[in-house]
Amino acid sequence: AQKITQTQPGMFVQEKEAVTLDCTYDTSDQSYGLFWYKQPSSGEMIFLIYQGSYDEQNATEGRYSLNFQKARKSANLVISASQLGDSAMYFCAMREGLSNTGKLIFGQGTTLQVKP
Amino acid sequence: GAVVSQHPSWVICKSGTSVKIECRSLDFQATTMFWYRQFPKQSLMLMATSNEGSKATYEQGVEKDKFLINHASLTLSTLTVTSAHPEDSSFYICSARVSVGNEQFFGPGTRLTVL
Repeated sequence: AQKITQTQPGMFVQEKEAVTLDCTYDTSDQSYGLFWYKQPSSGEMIFLIYQGSYDEQNATEGRYSLNFQKARKSANLVISASQLGDSAMYFCAMREGLSNTGKLIFGQGTTLQVKP
Repeated sequence: GAVVSQHPSWVICKSGTSVKIECRSLDFQATTMFWYRQFPKQSLMLMATSNEGSKATYEQGVEKDKFLINHASLTLSTLTVTSAHPEDSSFYICSARVSVGNEQFFGPGTRLTVL
């Protein structure tokens, strides 16, 4: 069974600094996809970044990058130059298999607060 | 990106009544939709996978007779909470996947409060 673990319930970061949100996963599949979502207080789920298990390069999307360490089974999210609007809950998620039919399973989430 | 809508955005009902939540994919067809439940400050828990034209697949521990899911068309899935009780109060979020690509799009969620 797949499992996603986020060990940081809450994090603080100073505005304009970088922050790393941790995520580890456990799966017996060789093919899987890793996702990060942001959930502000409004409740909507905002897709941030995706990393496939066979992708050799770390994924990047603007200020977001995914530090993918396959041997350690970790997929940490790095947010550079934090902004006040980055304050939200962040979820790591995994989907086994690379097709579109697998279930997306979420970690416990990390609440990030950006300080001015 | 693709848009998923949910209706209603919030609902308050009396214990014992049934509540229907609609999930629509507005600009794409979704053969598969997912229903999640989220308690405050907690993670999204997958309840069921809804497939157009067939029965939903429920996760372990989710009562299929209590949470009725219907996916009658490629753009609409509904979740009906039958005989709702206060412990069913939660944030319900649907999600849909486009046929090509990895991204999974989420609706804005429905906050259910059962009195």
